[in-house]
Amino acid sequence: GAGVSQSPSNKVTEKGKDVELRCDPISGHTALYWYRQRLGQGLEFLIYFQGNSAPDKSGLPSDRFSAERTGESVSTLTIQRTQQEDSAVYLCASSWDRGIPNTEAFFGQGTRLTVV
Amino acid sequence: AQKVTQAQTEISVVEKEDVTLDCVYETRDTTYYLFWYKQPPSGELVFLIRRNSFDEQNEISGRYSWNFQKSTSSFNFTITASQVVDSAVYFCALSEGAGANNLFFGTGTRLTVIP
Repeated sequence: GAGVSQSPSNKVTEKGKDVELRCDPISGHTALYWYRQRLGQGLEFLIYFQGNSAPDKSGLPSDRFSAERTGESVSTLTIQRTQQEDSAVYLCASSWDRGIPNTEAFFGQGTRLTVV
Repeated sequence: AQKVTQAQTEISVVEKEDVTLDCVYETRDTTYYLFWYKQPPSGELVFLIRRNSFDEQNEISGRYSWNFQKSTSSFNFTITASQVVDSAVYFCALSEGAGANNLFFGTGTRLTVIP
């Protein structure tokens, strides 16, 4: 597709279960970002991938959160033992080059996660 | 401390009115980048503008204009002759340093344009 694709668009899960969120970046984009947006809040940086370099995981809130990306393709964000505080919209973005300062990031429509 | 402050939580204007969305940022870096993004009801953020810290020229793009003032650490966004399609949440964001990986977002301003 032409844009960043995220799946699922909505996910309801029970507290304590694991969830996996998927992001398909725009083809050719080397940089990929994950953000979390809680209700009524701004976006909170989680993790950044750039090509085959080690990812910047400085934004991950706890060790229950992890993300993977193989090369310049799909990324998955995994949340283990979900808690109600994890309820949020998880947004993925991708860009061409070394990072956001050098070029604009294109965002997906997000995955709305609800933990009940 | 908040790196990006958008004090206006919600604004409502009548169609064709002008509206200014405020953004105040905080950084110790001399090299930084400022952004505005639009988030319509569909949820997908749309890039509007990027401005680096060395370029204080104001910019106009159609009905949109941006006023960057380092002296007050502000990067305000004005929409002239607002339209219903402008209704969205607008986010201001800051990226610090030449090689920074992430954006610090403000909490957003929800703009409602009433027909």
